[in-house]
Amino acid sequence: DAGITQSPRHKVTETGTPVTLRCHQTENHRYMYWYRQDPGHGLRLIHYSYGVKDTDKGEVSDGYSVSRSKTEDFLLTLESATSSQTSVYFCAISAGLAGGNEQFFGPGTRLTVL
Amino acid sequence: GENVEQHPSTLSVQEGDSAVIKCTYSDSASNYFPWYKQELGKGPQLIIDIRSNVGEKKDQRIAVTLNKTAKHFSLHITETQPEDSAVYFCAAIKAAGNKLTFGGGTRVLVKP
Repeated sequence: DAGITQSPRHKVTETGTPVTLRCHQTENHRYMYWYRQDPGHGLRLIHYSYGVKDTDKGEVSDGYSVSRSKTEDFLLTLESATSSQTSVYFCAISAGLAGGNEQFFGPGTRLTVL
Repeated sequence: GENVEQHPSTLSVQEGDSAVIKCTYSDSASNYFPWYKQELGKGPQLIIDIRSNVGEKKDQRIAVTLNKTAKHFSLHITETQPEDSAVYFCAAIKAAGNKLTFGGGTRVLVKP
């Protein structure tokens, strides 16, 4: 998986609790992304980062926040989880234009919000 | 923004036959078009890509074609094998940004 790890791989939580998902890369790539995958919706971008402390919103960012304090780590936080956030979350990395825009995905985190 | 549509949503083929998946995109500025294969329980895996200055690219049994005028691109898998069974996604991106827009996916089933 191109030097990308995600933790945890599975999580079950209750509505209203905070949840943080971690993405870690060993490729020193500039860009990191968080997607969610749901049946009938494919892959949708939540947030992305184009450098340390530089982040921007994707198409489904409501209810999510991110942080990137180091090149290798990109955190996704659900401040107060809701059942609609039950999904599979994928992290991706890219070297950007310098690397031909190729994006590589991690193994995913399956999150269930009860 | 960019919109990518992918057809068909499911595709069943006999082992040894060919499979073709088609995608259309809306933004003429898009210039990079990757294809991903996703197996059950795993993350999407980049299998082939094409850039707007190329009309066709081939890698063993898979090939991708691009028609910039019509704004569509296709994935061709020849001599399909059971291990080709998976969900395939197309995507598009503009040079000015790094946000991929994905198609809805095609579930391919190769019957032995």
